[in-house]
Amino acid sequence: GENVEQHPSTLSVQEGDSAVIKCTYSDSASNYFPWYKQELGKRPQLIIDIRSNVGEKKDQRIAVTLNKTAKHFSLHITETQPEDSAVYFCAASWDSSASKIIFGSGTRLSIRP
Amino acid sequence: DTAVSQTPKYLVTQMGNDKSIKCEQNLGHDTMYWYKQDSKKFLKIMFSYNNKELIINETVPNRFSPKSPDKAHLNLHINSLELGDSAVYFCASSQDGTGELFFGEGSRLTVL
Repeated sequence: GENVEQHPSTLSVQEGDSAVIKCTYSDSASNYFPWYKQELGKRPQLIIDIRSNVGEKKDQRIAVTLNKTAKHFSLHITETQPEDSAVYFCAASWDSSASKIIFGSGTRLSIRP
Repeated sequence: DTAVSQTPKYLVTQMGNDKSIKCEQNLGHDTMYWYKQDSKKFLKIMFSYNNKELIINETVPNRFSPKSPDKAHLNLHINSLELGDSAVYFCASSQDGTGELFFGEGSRLTVL
């Protein structure tokens, strides 16, 4: 079955700097890669996703890149702000459906003022 | 309007007891899920129901039993609670053909 590894487990960056979180997946059939953000005490919420026919997707300060050959995908947050502090989860799915999503172990991102 | 709602939000109980968590979604989605999030924040899928049929059971102990009376509801019943069951349980739903999961607010279960 699919296995998703996520690094780092914790990340601390200065406000205004960029943050990068990396994930690898094992199943080459995976074709859907969402990222979820979970603020302290809140529910996980989708912030961006990418499908395997696209190499990069951007939404304001957030971007995701996908390297299908290497089975890597990454989340990039630029100009970080205090409200970016949260746990971020990458995930992979092999049928573009939520019913097969496998989550990574999460990255706790802290933004230093 | 709350899209995915679950009750109770907090549950404290003794080992050996039986408890239930209820979940309702008003999004008209076809599939509902239960996820367990442990103290290390790992999100593990427990069950998935599509149109009232179980489609995933990720080796969860049979003390856990999901019940789906209709497409909009998926309840979780837990028998003979153990200390290791302490976690936050999230209900979620999704629409077939899309990938997005919509989570409820979570139910924090503490077993003493």
